[in-house]
Amino acid sequence: KQEVTQIPAALSVPEGENLVLNCSFTDSAIYNLQWFRQDPGKGLTSLLLIQSSQREQTSGRLNASLDKSSGRSTLYIAASQPGDSATYLCAGGRGGADGLTFGKGTHLIIQP
Amino acid sequence: GAVVSQHPSRVICKSGTSVKIECRSLDFQATTMFWYRQFPKQSLMLMATSNEGSKATYEQGVEKDKFLINHASLTLSTLTVTSAHPEDSSFYICSARPLSAGGLGDTQYFGPGTRLTVL
Repeated sequence: KQEVTQIPAALSVPEGENLVLNCSFTDSAIYNLQWFRQDPGKGLTSLLLIQSSQREQTSGRLNASLDKSSGRSTLYIAASQPGDSATYLCAGGRGGADGLTFGKGTHLIIQP
Repeated sequence: GAVVSQHPSRVICKSGTSVKIECRSLDFQATTMFWYRQFPKQSLMLMATSNEGSKATYEQGVEKDKFLINHASLTLSTLTVTSAHPEDSSFYICSARPLSAGGLGDTQYFGPGTRLTVL
């Protein structure tokens, strides 16, 4: 059974800093790895999807990498802004008709 | 594109009543929809996988007689919480996987969620 772990559980940094959020998974048969953002009391916003054949994906100030052999993914946020404050979730999927397995998230606060 | 809606967004009900939550894919067809729930300060947990025209597949520990799922069309799945109790209070989120092949076929699009409070 897939288990997804996110470190750190919470992070507070000053505005402008670059930061890295970590995600590890136990089942290397992962088909894709997805990063989401969740604002308090809200649903999910998909940030980046990395297929198993890919090593990384980039969108604006966000870059996500995937290393299946080590069971790790990282989300890099450049030049952080207060608007980036949210909970970031990573989730692994086996594709097909399988649902996603989520980590518990990293609660990020960017201080103005 | 690829929008998923949920209705209602918030519901408060008395213990013992049943509550129906709808999940719709607005601009695409989905043979597979998923239902997740999220307790406070916890992550999302997959409850069940809903396939159009067939019975849902439930995750271990999820009572199928309590959480009734119907996927009657390629754009609509419903979750009915029967005889709801306070411990069922949670944030319920659905997602849908498009029929299209390739990269898009691997993406799940999530609804905005439904917050259920059982008094």
